[in-house]
Amino acid sequence: DVKVTQSSRYLVKRTGEKVFLECVQDMDHENMFWYRQDPGLGLRLIYFSYDVKMKEKGDIPEGYSVSREKKERFSLILESASTNQTSMYLCASSLGPRARNTIYFGEGSWLTVV
Amino acid sequence: DAKTTQPNSMESNEEEPVHLPCNHSTISGTDYIHWYRQLPSQGPEYVIHGLTSNVNNRMASLAIAEDRKSSTLILHRATLRDAAVYYCILRPNTGNQFYFGTGTSLTVIP
Repeated sequence: DVKVTQSSRYLVKRTGEKVFLECVQDMDHENMFWYRQDPGLGLRLIYFSYDVKMKEKGDIPEGYSVSREKKERFSLILESASTNQTSMYLCASSLGPRARNTIYFGEGSWLTVV
Repeated sequence: DAKTTQPNSMESNEEEPVHLPCNHSTISGTDYIHWYRQLPSQGPEYVIHGLTSNVNNRMASLAIAEDRKSSTLILHRATLRDAAVYYCILRPNTGNQFYFGTGTSLTVIP
C-alpha cells in the first residue's frame, strides 16, 4: 500500500515563527500536493510539485512556500506564521498527472498559531 | 477547474443501500470522476473512479450517467464505519488542479 507520512500530527506555533511541515511518500510518485482544510471551505490547494525542484502555485499560495529536493519528500513552509494559517494541512501524492491516477493522502497535520 | 455539486448532508439507516449523487455538468471528455471519503480526523481516502462505464470494487459502485453530467456513488450496505464526508471530484488528463469542494457528510443511523 502507498504510504504518505506527515511528520507532525499536531503543532502549536507562535505568530511570526517559521514553520516546516514535512511529507514523505514511499511509492516513487511524481506528483505531490499540499492542501489546507477549513470548516465550510473544503480542501484548497496551496502548492503542488510534478518533479524534483519543480513546483506550481495552487489556489491559495500566499504566505506559503514549498521545497522538493528529493522525489519522496515535499515540504510546506510558513515563513512567518499568522493566526489565519491555523488549519489542518494535508499532503497528498499521485503517480502522475493522468486523470486515472489515484491521489493518496496523509493523515493530516493540525496547526494552531497563537 | 471543472466543478462538482453535491448535497451537503445525507442520512442512511445501517445495512441499507446509500446513493450519493454528484452533478458535474461542465465535465470534459477526458475528465475522470473520482470519489474519496474522509473519516473524522483523518485524511481523505480513495473510494473509486471511472470514466464512462459503471465501476465496481470491494468498497462501492459508481454509476455514471450516459451524458456523464452526473454520477452516483452506491454503498450497498451502509455500516457505521461508512459515516464520513464523501467527495466527488473531476480529475483532468492534463494539469494537477482539481476541485474538491465541501463534499457530502453521510450519517449512518444504527
